[in-house]
Amino acid sequence: GQQLNQSPQSMFIQEGEDVSMNCTSSSIFNTWLWYKQEPGEGPVLLIALYKAGELTSNGRLTAQFGITRKDSFLNISASIPSDVGIYFCAGQQIWPQGGSEKLVFGKGTKLTVNP
Amino acid sequence: KAGVTQTPRYLIKTRGQQVTLSCSPISGHRSVSWYQQTPGQGLQFLFEYFSETQRNKGNFPGRFSGRQFSNSRSEMNVSTLELGDSALYLCASGHPGSTQYFGPGTRLTVL
Repeated sequence: GQQLNQSPQSMFIQEGEDVSMNCTSSSIFNTWLWYKQEPGEGPVLLIALYKAGELTSNGRLTAQFGITRKDSFLNISASIPSDVGIYFCAGQQIWPQGGSEKLVFGKGTKLTVNP
Repeated sequence: KAGVTQTPRYLIKTRGQQVTLSCSPISGHRSVSWYQQTPGQGLQFLFEYFSETQRNKGNFPGRFSGRQFSNSRSEMNVSTLELGDSALYLCASGHPGSTQYFGPGTRLTVL
């Protein structure tokens, strides 16, 4: 199935460092979403982006919706141990027949934070 | 507001059996989507329901089916289970045109 190109696949960082990850696609999306998933749980929504060029923050997290609508990035500043998890980007498309959406996901970035 | 709930959380079945998974959306949400998550394929869209109607379906065989009830609760069914069906099955709910919120998932293991 269709997927987004998410990078990096994994990151090992020290507590306090900043983190950056991104997603690209050949398709245009009308919404970009960033989720975090911890073991045994479903993805939890972190940030939603609705307009091309939009820059949105949620605490130490900042995400941007690319101007071409084909990419997005997520930054985490001053990482802490509880930031550990897998971060997924997702693009939301409106089906041509209207009214319905599906999410297309990246393969995830696994983040490890060393105290 | 309670989140999306899924039951059961864990399930073990053998090949050839069938299974039914249940999802209760966030109160007021009428759109329910199902996704399959595996290490190899990642998160893949299965289908979406709105007002008891399947609006769209992903690229999965006909063994995968679902339905939605008048209270927006949804079930998905997998018949004639195969080893490759072992996965985390995630349900998400939302308002049309808005973001989707996921449940904790049902971990299905097929032996």
